[in-house]
Formats: sequence, structure tokens, C-alpha cells
Amino acid sequence: AQSVSQHNHHVILSEAASLELGCNYSYGGTVNLFWYVQYPGQHLQLLLKYFSGDPLVKGIKGFEAEFIKSKFSFNLRKPSVQWSDTAEYFCAVKWGGFKTIFGAGTRLFVKA
Amino acid sequence: DTEVTQTPKHLVMGMTNKKSLKCEQHMGHRAMYWYKQKAKKPPELMFVYSYEKLSINESVPSRFSPECPNSSLLNLHLHALQPEDSALYLCASSQERGRGYEQYFGPGTRLTVT
Repeated sequence: AQSVSQHNHHVILSEAASLELGCNYSYGGTVNLFWYVQYPGQHLQLLLKYFSGDPLVKGIKGFEAEFIKSKFSFNLRKPSVQWSDTAEYFCAVKWGGFKTIFGAGTRLFVKA
Repeated sequence: DTEVTQTPKHLVMGMTNKKSLKCEQHMGHRAMYWYKQKAKKPPELMFVYSYEKLSINESVPSRFSPECPNSSLLNLHLHALQPEDSALYLCASSQERGRGYEQYFGPGTRLTVT
């Protein structure tokens, strides 16, 4: 069955630290890949997406992600986090039908 | 305008009540979705509509009844719910249903069943 795994459920960083959140999906084929963010009390917002082309994609707020097809991975990175990045981050994958499957989420807390 | 609106924001209902959740988008999107999100869990797909027709029903109990009266509106009718149905109900839309289109999410309706 199709599944999405996020390796870190809780991450605590100090401001200016670098961030990498892992995301792997169960098997290949043509996929669309997404990272969504949910700030406290706010709705899900799209951070970035990969459909095709350059496997390194840049999103909003300084985030980027790299698609590695051979590893079925789409890891999220940010060189220097800010307190305002405290949120829950969801990786999501769409395999070709209409269904998007979300990972379990990673709660990031950034200490000021 | 990339906004999906949902009403009400909060809803408390008894197990014998009938209520409806509403979702609206004016982006010209032809696919609309209902998700259920329990606390500290990811969103789980419930229904997908494409061009106002139901495309996917993820084996959702019949006490949840979706309706898409037109391309901008999506309703979720609730009847005889159980306390375990308490959750955040999210609506989303995308330009089309297939690959190559991202979903835009509304703020959700927080439902409490007493």
C-alpha cells in the first residue's frame, strides 16, 4: 500500500540552526511531492511542491527540498531557522490518482 | 484570490442532531476535497469531487453525506454522529484532480460531538 514516512516526529532547534526533515514514500512511479506547513492556529499552507524537472525545488520563507528518485525521498531543508518557523510540517505525496497521502507530520519548535 | 473559506469555524452537536459544514472557493477549481484531521495526526482524505461529481469515497460511514451543488461550493451533511467523529474537518480545492495540481486548504471546522 502507498505510504509516506516522516522520520522525525518532534524536532527542537535553536534559532539560526540548520533544519533537515526527512520524508520517504513507499514506492515509485510518477509522483507529485509536497511539503505543507501548519502554524499554530492556522490552516495548512503549501511550502513547496515538486512535479517534474529540477529535483531541487525552492519554496516560500527560505525553504527548499530535494527529490531523490532512487531513494524515494523528498527532504525539506532550511539553512537557518527562525522562531517563527515553529509549526507542524507535513510531507504529502500524490501518486497519479486523485488521492494525496500525508505523512504523520513533524512538530518543529525553535527556541528563541 | 487563493482562499478557501469554511463555515462554521466551530460546531458542537449532539449525537441526534443534523448539521452541515460548508466550503466555498472562487478560484475556478474543479476538484474539491473533504479531509478529517484528528489532534496531532495528519489529514485523512474522506471525499473527492471532480467537476461536481463524487470521484472518491474513502469508505466513509453514511452518517457523513457530501454534496457539491455547484463548482464553487461543497457541503458535508452530518447526521447521527458519534463522539469519535470529533475532529477538525478540512476542505481543499485544486484546479484539477490529477497530477500537477496542488491543493489549497481552508481553515477547517472544529467539530465536537457530545
